[in-house]
Amino acid sequence: QVQLVQSGAEVKKPGSSVKVSCKASGGTLDTYTVNWVRQAPGQGLEWLGRVIPILGMTNYAQMLQGRLSITADRSTSTAYMELSSLTSNDTAVYYCARGPTPEIWGQGTLVTVSS
Amino acid sequence: QSALTQPRSVSGSPGQSVTISCTATSNDFGGYNFFSWYQQDPGKAPKLIIYDVTKRPSGVPDRFSGSKSGNMASLTISGLQSEDEADYYCCSYAGGYRVFGGGTRLTVL
Repeated sequence: QVQLVQSGAEVKKPGSSVKVSCKASGGTLDTYTVNWVRQAPGQGLEWLGRVIPILGMTNYAQMLQGRLSITADRSTSTAYMELSSLTSNDTAVYYCARGPTPEIWGQGTLVTVSS
Repeated sequence: QSALTQPRSVSGSPGQSVTISCTATSNDFGGYNFFSWYQQDPGKAPKLIIYDVTKRPSGVPDRFSGSKSGNMASLTISGLQSEDEADYYCCSYAGGYRVFGGGTRLTVL
């Protein structure tokens, strides 16, 4: 039974960057889509983007274009989400989810942006 | 404002049926059969309960069903149980992009 294990909580200063990892345990990410979704405190789900590791293909939500980078390391079955120029509006729980329709989700990583 | 519109809240009594709607404001996300639904308990990751409009992943009770008419998808929960109280999100896909609805809080009275 595959599980997605994400890296731990982060506290970042405004203007800095954060990189969150998502490792598949007991399975692979290679032939699947890996989506990244975030949820701000008390708010709904927001799709950020996706990567298809075997194709090296990425898509990003328009509002994050230029600040977001999603990559995958096929050799370690690990996906990464890096978000730059952080503001307080980026404070959220960040989830990875394996697709094509996001079905298997990581446990979430809380990213707090605060001065 | 999301491209998918859901009611903010719905409620029902145990044993009743409730339906949550999800209306796509653009044909991009409403014109295909790629609607999915997620159930989320507080502090937990979302759980996929319906995909491709009508399909249920293994382990999801058949009390949960999905449908679509035009640009609107619907999630129906029949035989409502107390453990169904949660937030529900619709999701659609088009051309490599996904979008979530704003979410609906289901209260079991």
